[in-house]
Amino acid sequence: ETGVTQTPRHLVMGMTNKKSLKCEQHLGHNAMYWYKQSAKKPLELMFVYNFKEQTENNSVPSRFSPECPNSSHLFLHLHTLQPEDSALYLCASSQDVFPSYEQYFGPGTRLTVT
Amino acid sequence: AQSVTQPDIHITVSEGASLELRCNYSYGATPYLFWYVQSPGQGLQLLLKYFSGDTLVQGIKGFEAEFKRSQSSFNLRKPSVHWSDAAEYFCAVGYSGGGADGLTFGKGTHLIIQP
Repeated sequence: ETGVTQTPRHLVMGMTNKKSLKCEQHLGHNAMYWYKQSAKKPLELMFVYNFKEQTENNSVPSRFSPECPNSSHLFLHLHTLQPEDSALYLCASSQDVFPSYEQYFGPGTRLTVT
Repeated sequence: AQSVTQPDIHITVSEGASLELRCNYSYGATPYLFWYVQSPGQGLQLLLKYFSGDTLVQGIKGFEAEFKRSQSSFNLRKPSVHWSDAAEYFCAVGYSGGGADGLTFGKGTHLIIQP
């Protein structure tokens, strides 16, 4: 595998379920990101990790819980979500967090909350 | 706070015609500017970026963009579009200086190519 991969690609979950999204990057990067992409809205940055340390949390509700066990893997744990959380969740990575470094995106996980 | 405006939600262009997608940003210092493209079911792919130097930057797939400080703009252009260019295009801005490490994206412009 090359680049940034995300699993699953599609997920349907009820509001009482607990699920996790997984992201893996094979680029040797040190920074990883979670973005939320909703219809008619700009991409929203959710979390940023640099060298496994969280450096950014953009006021994301606690029902979203990120985990970064190492520089290659990033998880987003989901519990008691709301229908408005339905969106495409994109993972990205870059060499470092400075904006001069290109971010490489995965294909995303399409999440539907019922 | 930085912001990005893409005034055109949809643009329809005939195949072979020229293209210009508009992007305006709001930030005092010189920003880092990017254009990304997203095909259906795919993640975002970087087309080009501007940090400093020559204000006309060349990217992949025949795209170019021009940074105009006086207009706070970073418009994307292509002289002749192909049907495969149909996609969603996002302009993004970032800056260095501590604090927010991610990019701020515009809402995107949906490009439709007609035969």
